Amino acid sequence: AAGVIQSPRHLIKEKRETATLKCYPIPRHDTVYWYQQGPGQDPQFLISFYEKMQSDKGSIPDRFSAQQFSDYHSELNMSSLELGDSALYFCASSLEGAGNSGNTIYFGEGSWLTVV
Amino acid sequence: GENVEQHPSTLSVQEGDSAVIKCTYSDSASNYFPWYKQELGKRPQLIIDIRSNVGEKKDQRIAVTLNKTAKHFSLHITETQPEDSAVYFCAAGGSQGNLIFGKGTKLSVKP
Repeated sequence: AAGVIQSPRHLIKEKRETATLKCYPIPRHDTVYWYQQGPGQDPQFLISFYEKMQSDKGSIPDRFSAQQFSDYHSELNMSSLELGDSALYFCASSLEGAGNSGNTIYFGEGSWLTVV
Repeated sequence: GENVEQHPSTLSVQEGDSAVIKCTYSDSASNYFPWYKQELGKRPQLIIDIRSNVGEKKDQRIAVTLNKTAKHFSLHITETQPEDSAVYFCAAGGSQGNLIFGKGTKLSVKP
């Protein structure tokens, strides 16, 4: 079965540069979530989209922005990168906003961002 | 917003023993509680989940219990095996559909 596809899998950027991560949800999934996971930490919710509209916002820095496109893929744009942004970024998808609807959230393999 | 507390942070058991991980949540509106297993550098993988209209769910060696009144839920792994060693995260489904995770439990199963 098709899974959540993320690209690139690994990315190295210098401080103050910009990075863009892409996420292709499971076919027919209309909800996308972005999570950031630092070394040894739990995944932190950044932002989510349902039917191309932002549905919830978590601990996403103002330097980051994201959107969901008409084909439901999503991109996370990160500007003015800082050393502390180095982390594993997961995209996840579900049908109709999983949480309280009870639909399962599936995670992609993640994108490793290293800021040097 | 939702806050999820998870205990213990580390757990070491002998192969064949049982392991129990407990979580509490704060938002009474949450009604979806999945458990994920994550191996180092890999994505979280759903192992079991429970909805608020169910008090207990079992899948082979894994079971989850939910007490909505007390706002806590637990993961039980029986007959543990070395391949069960990983970090386990509980999560609570937020009102907007996102998941809020606990801090994780590093489970080590010694052969």
